[in-house]
Amino acid sequence: GDSVTQMEGPVTLSEEAFLTINCTYTATGYPSLFWYVQYPGEGLQLLLKATKADDKGSNKGFEATYRKETTSFHLEKGSVQVSDSAVYFCALSPNFGNEKLTFGTGTRLTIIP
Amino acid sequence: DAEITQSPRHKITETGRQVTLACHQTWNHNNMFWYRQDLGHGLRLIHYSYGVQDTNKGEVSDGYSVSRSNTEDLPLTLESAASSQTSVYFCASRGNGPNSPLHFGNGTRLTVT
Repeated sequence: GDSVTQMEGPVTLSEEAFLTINCTYTATGYPSLFWYVQYPGEGLQLLLKATKADDKGSNKGFEATYRKETTSFHLEKGSVQVSDSAVYFCALSPNFGNEKLTFGTGTRLTIIP
Repeated sequence: DAEITQSPRHKITETGRQVTLACHQTWNHNNMFWYRQDLGHGLRLIHYSYGVQDTNKGEVSDGYSVSRSNTEDLPLTLESAASSQTSVYFCASRGNGPNSPLHFGNGTRLTVT
């Protein structure tokens, strides 16, 4: 079945550091890929998405590129801020129907000033 | 703006009691989902529905039930609450098609004593 593997957390970085959170997936065909962010006390919010190979999703300075050859969708940001502290989830949706999303286990990110 | 609302935000109940968590969405989405979130497990799917009168079991459905009598609501019932069901519960909905993202509510924190 489909699966998503994220790098283990927690991740702690200094403000303005470069961020990478790794995500790899296993799926049949060409799934759509998503990154969600969860701030304390809130539900998950869509951060960005990519729907086909080589697509780059971007939002709020975050980027992720859909790499079919490596089955990866790594999240990156060039200069993190304290306000980026949150839990980040990678997810995939099969490319047919309305099937449920498969989520990774989440990566907790803490940015220190 | 469309939204998805969960109630209550916090609930404390005793072992053996029946509890119902409410979920109401104004997106007019056919597809609705219930997840639980626990440390070390990420998000786990409890039940989901693809439309009125349709319900399906997720990976951790034992001890839970749902009903879908209209498009807007998918209440989650714990038939006889157990301490293992202490968790944060999230309801979500999405439109049709693999590129449609999930929209989440803000969650219900349930404590079973």
